[in-house]
Amino acid sequence: KAGVTQTPRYLIKTRGQQVTLSCSPISGHRSVSWYQQTPGQGLQFLFEYFSETQRNKGNFPGRFSGRQFSNSRSEMNVSTLELGDSALYLCASSGAQDRVFSRETQYFGPGTRLLVL
Amino acid sequence: KQEVTQIPAALSVPEGENLVLNCSFTDSAIYNLQWFRQDPGKGLTSLLLIQSSQREQTSGRLNASLDKSSGRSTLYIAASQPGDSATYLCAATFGNEKLTFGTGTRLTIIP
Repeated sequence: KAGVTQTPRYLIKTRGQQVTLSCSPISGHRSVSWYQQTPGQGLQFLFEYFSETQRNKGNFPGRFSGRQFSNSRSEMNVSTLELGDSALYLCASSGAQDRVFSRETQYFGPGTRLLVL
Repeated sequence: KQEVTQIPAALSVPEGENLVLNCSFTDSAIYNLQWFRQDPGKGLTSLLLIQSSQREQTSGRLNASLDKSSGRSTLYIAASQPGDSATYLCAATFGNEKLTFGTGTRLTIIP
């Protein structure tokens, strides 16, 4: 079974631009969550989607948004990029069916490394 | 505030030794605790998941324990190998249903 895939793997943008990252979960998984990893803040939860609905959200500004499609693929968008948005963005999927997605094992993709100049 | 802490931040151990990684959390109302490993520049690999009703989980040379009353979890690695070198992260699910990660322990196994 193929794992979680993320595209692109690397991205360079300039301040003020916007970016869209894509995540394809493991086949059959309907829960997709997103995380930001930086050296200073570590791994922080962004949001989680299940069946095209956002079920949970972390403490990030509204510039960070996401969506999920009917095939469970998910995208996250960051608008008006800032230097501090440079990070590794990780996506994870799980087979969670009930509302508490994080009670299930999370399977992570390789991440998208975003550099904002 | 619900927090997860991992000390030390880095650890070096000779090959073949058994070792323990520590994880502490501030809220005993925990749903579960997961251990992951992360290789440089890569995503996370799930190692073990312990539900709040469990005391420990084992997978091969790995054994993870959970003590809610003391707010601690440990990851025991037996007979360490150079391939075990990685950053190990623990993550807890609290009542807010969000995965809260520790800052990780960077483990180096010395051949």
